[in-house]
Amino acid sequence: LAKTTQPISMDSYEGQEVNITCSHNNIATNDYITWYQQFPSQGPRFIIQGYKTKVTNEVASLFIPADRKSSTLSLPRVSLSDTAVYYCLVGDKRDNYGQNFVFGPGTRLSVLP
Amino acid sequence: GAVVSQHPSWVICKSGTSVKIECRSLDFQATTMFWYRQFPKQSLMLMATSNEGSKATYEQGVEKDKFLINHASLTLSTLTVTSAHPEDSSFYICSARVPGERNEQFFGPGTRLTVL
Repeated sequence: LAKTTQPISMDSYEGQEVNITCSHNNIATNDYITWYQQFPSQGPRFIIQGYKTKVTNEVASLFIPADRKSSTLSLPRVSLSDTAVYYCLVGDKRDNYGQNFVFGPGTRLSVLP
Repeated sequence: GAVVSQHPSWVICKSGTSVKIECRSLDFQATTMFWYRQFPKQSLMLMATSNEGSKATYEQGVEKDKFLINHASLTLSTLTVTSAHPEDSSFYICSARVPGERNEQFFGPGTRLTVL
């Protein structure tokens, strides 16, 4: 049973705000939500992590509703270099069990000029 | 930030040979490292969890005798693909856990393995 579901792909234009939503209906009490970005032939790069409400850093914001069954990664004013695959992971960050870090299919974001 | 390196970045080998891939945490100690495999246009697939000083835990369907993992120190884990075959050609990625409050997972740049 997949832990997360995301749209397979999204298109956007430069300068627009992009919101990618991830569904995680079976999220557990101790689970955190983490988003990664991956460019072709590179390892994933950490973007943001949160548990509830809203988290913001220098590259993105993460919105998590009260029921925590979904989360939305918000990328402000995207550029061509933001074209990548974005993965949402859900797991207990204190746990060393690998199954807590299973990647779903991700969302392939294409930013157009 | 935490840096994880992999060596080599790419390797081409003949069928039947063994290939070793190294994963190092450069500026922190990692008691746990993960190994992933990624085929073109697909997501990362977890192969095994590597814990320092103990045997690795392999995911279902991953042959432990074919993919040997050694985590001999807090900064180094190795994955050896034994008797490689063309179907083992893939992008292999390791990650290391940063202990502490955030307990983040940082990924290496990956190793492209091509078996002829």
